[in-house]
Amino acid sequence: DAKTTQPNSMESNEEEPVHLPCNHSTISGTDYIHWYRQLPSQGPEYVIHGLTSNVNNRMASLAIAEDRKSSTLILHRATLRDAAVYYCILRGEASGTYKYIFGTGTRLKVLA
Amino acid sequence: DAEITQSPRHKITETGRQVTLACHQTWNHNNMFWYRQDLGHGLRLIHYSYGVQDTNKGEVSDGYSVSRSNTEDLPLTLESAASSQTSVYFCASSEHSNYGYTFGSGTRLTVV
Repeated sequence: DAKTTQPNSMESNEEEPVHLPCNHSTISGTDYIHWYRQLPSQGPEYVIHGLTSNVNNRMASLAIAEDRKSSTLILHRATLRDAAVYYCILRGEASGTYKYIFGTGTRLKVLA
Repeated sequence: DAEITQSPRHKITETGRQVTLACHQTWNHNNMFWYRQDLGHGLRLIHYSYGVQDTNKGEVSDGYSVSRSNTEDLPLTLESAASSQTSVYFCASSEHSNYGYTFGSGTRLTVV
């Protein structure tokens, strides 16, 4: 299973944009990039996913490098409720498998 | 509304006892997964199923078993509970496609 590398922790000020990086240099051509977040005492929550093009939804944006070896989750205006652990995960499609392997993620602290 | 529910939310059991954690989803998803989460390890995959009568081992399956007799349920059984199995357990389900996972709220299991 392809691996991802994320910083252990990041800090942001409230109402400022946050860029959460993820490296996945061994990504295969058919791996999708998924992001989840986990709020304290809750299960992980789906945020966004993409393959090659940048993606936007109501929660965040996903910027994918042209060579797909890295990606960045962008929270446009961080709020205190965005304080969570953010996981970047590769999901392989070629073999028909749908299981995720989670890393340790990035713990985001939002400062008031 | 469709949902995924785990029960119980909290359980304390004794070493050596058999314990079953329930996971029930009304999304009609084919794919279901069990993870455990421990400090310093993130989420680790225990078992997963791609449909009725299908079960597969994940990265930390020793001491656990699952069965899938219908679409809605994937119970996780600890055959003989050990203190090392004290953890928070999360169940998840997903569509048979590139959709994201929906996670339950978790079961906190303590083995004494």
